[in-house]
Amino acid sequence: DQQVKQNSPSLSVQEGRISILNCDYTNSMFDYFLWYKKYPAEGPTFLISISSIKDKNEDGRFTVFLNKSAKHLSLHIVPSQPGDSAVYFCAASVGTGNQFYFGTGTSLTVIP
Amino acid sequence: NAGVMQNPRHLVRRRGQEARLRCSPMKGHSHVYWYRQLPEEGLKFMVYLQKENIIDESGMPKERFSAEFPKEGPSILRIQQVVRGDSAAYFCASSPSLIAKNIQYFGAGTRLSVL
Repeated sequence: DQQVKQNSPSLSVQEGRISILNCDYTNSMFDYFLWYKKYPAEGPTFLISISSIKDKNEDGRFTVFLNKSAKHLSLHIVPSQPGDSAVYFCAASVGTGNQFYFGTGTSLTVIP
Repeated sequence: NAGVMQNPRHLVRRRGQEARLRCSPMKGHSHVYWYRQLPEEGLKFMVYLQKENIIDESGMPKERFSAEFPKEGPSILRIQQVVRGDSAAYFCASSPSLIAKNIQYFGAGTRLSVL
């Protein structure tokens, strides 16, 4: 049962434009959400997170938006850079210290 | 401050052999998580451990798989009598105390191939 879903396996964006990666979840108990970035043959690297008490969190070029009523979150990257090309996973958890539920990932390609 | 260290990076086993995967958490981290990633899939939780305790093993297959995090030394994920379906990337993550920000830091993974 996939509780966190990333329905776009891949996305291509021109350098300098905005990249929007989407994620949907089914479990209304999730109260903490994260985005991880993964390069081939490496482990996931933490990017940005958001608590369910917020609807937006920003860190430099990265912004995460949370729509609790729609059970949807998105990651915006502006402006996109070629080094952003990687697989992006969204993850969710219930409470602190518990397991993360991961989506299947979206492969982002930023075209120079 | 070294990150999460996993070894070996690649492990090849024949069916029926045992696989031992090691994970040293980041310095100061007392919580360890193991995840498995099958090809074309996301990471799936297996087990959550603190020193000398298994906190949550709900994602662990009931047979052949075991995990430990002893008082001294790395966390070990052990797979007995491996089968081809065990071929996957196994990632370990660590986090600091529950009071701290809820982020898990991942190692580079161990890629297990079962022949």
